[in-house]
Amino acid sequence: DAKTTQPTSMDCAEGRAANLPCNHSTISGNEYVYWYRQIHSQGPQYIIHGLKNNETNEMASLIITEDRKSSTLILPHATLRDTAVYYCIVRENFGNEKLTFGTGTRLTIIP
Amino acid sequence: DGGITQSPKYLFRKEGQNVTLSCEQNLNHDAMYWYRQDPGQGLRLIYYSQIVNDFQKGDIAEGYSVSREKKESFPLTVTSAQKNPTAFYLCASRASGNYNEQFFGPGTRLTVL
Repeated sequence: DAKTTQPTSMDCAEGRAANLPCNHSTISGNEYVYWYRQIHSQGPQYIIHGLKNNETNEMASLIITEDRKSSTLILPHATLRDTAVYYCIVRENFGNEKLTFGTGTRLTIIP
Repeated sequence: DGGITQSPKYLFRKEGQNVTLSCEQNLNHDAMYWYRQDPGQGLRLIYYSQIVNDFQKGDIAEGYSVSREKKESFPLTVTSAQKNPTAFYLCASRASGNYNEQFFGPGTRLTVL
């Protein structure tokens, strides 16, 4: 699986959009970008995934650059409950059972 | 409620004892996984199972064992051979198919004294 690089930590004001970047410059053509988050002492929670088109669901939006070397997870109206560690993962969608979690970005929502 | 349950939430054991962590899911998922997380670190894959009666080693299987006798259950045994067993253990499951995400349980925090 391709390696990802994320900032160690970020702050965002409550009610504002939180934009979390991820670099994955070695991503291959059949690898997807996945985002999970982990609230303290809980199991990770799936957020969203995509291949090359932008994706949106009830939790977030995923913007993938045209060259697919980086992506941004957007939480449109951050709340205090969005404080968590956010993991960006790239992996093939078949023949590979492993999710390789790095250290992620610790997002703190400020009241 | 559908989901993944892990019990207990906190577990204490003496050094040299084997301990078995429970993971049960009622999501009818075929694949199940065990991960380990150390403080400030990401998750590392211990074992996974894609189907009943079959399982594969992950990146850090040494000192651990698993069984998959039922679709719903994937218990993990931390043996005395595991040199640093104190950690947060997470179980996950995934439906069959290529595009399905993994669902995680609440985790078990194991402390070996």
